[in-house]
Amino acid sequence: NAGVMQNPRHLVRRRGQEARLRCSPMKGHSHVYWYRQLPEEGLKFMVYLQKENIIDESGMPKERFSAEFPKEGPSILRIQQVVRGDSAAYFCASSPQWGASTDTQYFGPGTRLTVL
Amino acid sequence: DAKTTQPNSMESNEEEPVHLPCNHSTISGTDYIHWYRQLPSQGPEYVIHGLTSNVNNRMASLAIAEDRKSSTLILHRATLRDAAVYYCILMNGNKLVFGAGTILRVKS
Repeated sequence: NAGVMQNPRHLVRRRGQEARLRCSPMKGHSHVYWYRQLPEEGLKFMVYLQKENIIDESGMPKERFSAEFPKEGPSILRIQQVVRGDSAAYFCASSPQWGASTDTQYFGPGTRLTVL
Repeated sequence: DAKTTQPNSMESNEEEPVHLPCNHSTISGTDYIHWYRQLPSQGPEYVIHGLTSNVNNRMASLAIAEDRKSSTLILHRATLRDAAVYYCILMNGNKLVFGAGTILRVKS
């Protein structure tokens, strides 16, 4: 059973470009979470999605960031008009159950975004 | 979200047990105590979780105080591979709220 897959592993963008980060959850998992880790900082929750629904986006910046988890295909985190402050590691996690307090979240290896 | 307090760093010798403490004095009755760790340049990895009773799994043990205001993650025999940042997290709902964690260094 393959783990959570993220691609690309490394992404370089120039200021003003768009970044698309992909996450394929573990087989059988229908809950996806995105977290961001800025350099020398801890991980911060961004958004929680189920298939075709955003459940909790309380950690998403109000502008330029969006996320989706379509019925078919991977979850996408999209950052428009990137700025240097977006440089970070972005981690995706998935869980199998109901998004409950007992659920284990399985993390992917992350995408390291560098904005020049 | 309820807060946790952990030491910034700890050091252990290889093959010795390690006790990683966590204080969570504002824990609510429905908060679960989760531990994750993050090895260098990797994504976080689940270690263990519990509610009231002590828990054991193949990776570690979790000892929870009777009043639930603190807990201790126990690695029975530390190896170099256990060097990581260990996060103690109170979970009530769907998102993990990470603190700064404890950097565990393991000496050979």
